[in-house]
Amino acid sequence: GIQVEQSPPDLILQEGANSTLRCNFSDSVNNLQWFHQNPWGQLINLFYIPSGTKQNGRLSATTVATERYSLLYISSSQTTDSGVYFCAVLRDNYGQNFVFGPGTRLSVLP
Amino acid sequence: EAGVAQSPRYKIIEKRQSVAFWCNPISGHATLYWYQQILGQGPKLLIQFQNNGVVDDSQLPKDRFSAERLKGVDSTLKIQPAKLEDSAVYLCASSLRGNGYTFGSGTRLTVV
Repeated sequence: GIQVEQSPPDLILQEGANSTLRCNFSDSVNNLQWFHQNPWGQLINLFYIPSGTKQNGRLSATTVATERYSLLYISSSQTTDSGVYFCAVLRDNYGQNFVFGPGTRLSVLP
Repeated sequence: EAGVAQSPRYKIIEKRQSVAFWCNPISGHATLYWYQQILGQGPKLLIQFQNNGVVDDSQLPKDRFSAERLKGVDSTLKIQPAKLEDSAVYLCASSLRGNGYTFGSGTRLTVV
């Protein structure tokens, strides 16, 4: 099956710093989503981004499907950004069966 | 719109006991998923329903896990008998069509 890798596994930032999270996947995908799991365990959709670039406030994401990677940028980080960021990919739209990466655990210090 | 509802929020049981989790998806979402998330790992799909039919249950341990979605809306996931390694968060999600993928808050199961 498709493999999803994320880096770095852990990241500690000072409030106000910027960061880049990376997701690599082993095969072509029809769908890619970034999720944030907050410290209470809730998974929140950030971006649906099978290709191209999207921005939402301080967050933006870029997927280069031909090179099988996606990047999540967090600018001017805040303590509320802490949690685990997951990349999830979907091989085919019929099954809609997401495969999750192992996540990047982000801690933003005040 | 209301989100994906799950209950209970927490459950502690002894090994070899049985347990059931309930999920109510977002209204109109035909696709429903159950994921298992072991501490420190990403969620892993257990079963996917399209309306009341099973699309994918290849990673469901069928000797002890079962799930149903009888009327194409609510779903229940059952474990019988539970093992220590079943301790995890069980997440339900629903979607319209690949995007609009929304997770519930999950049920944290501890098997002692």
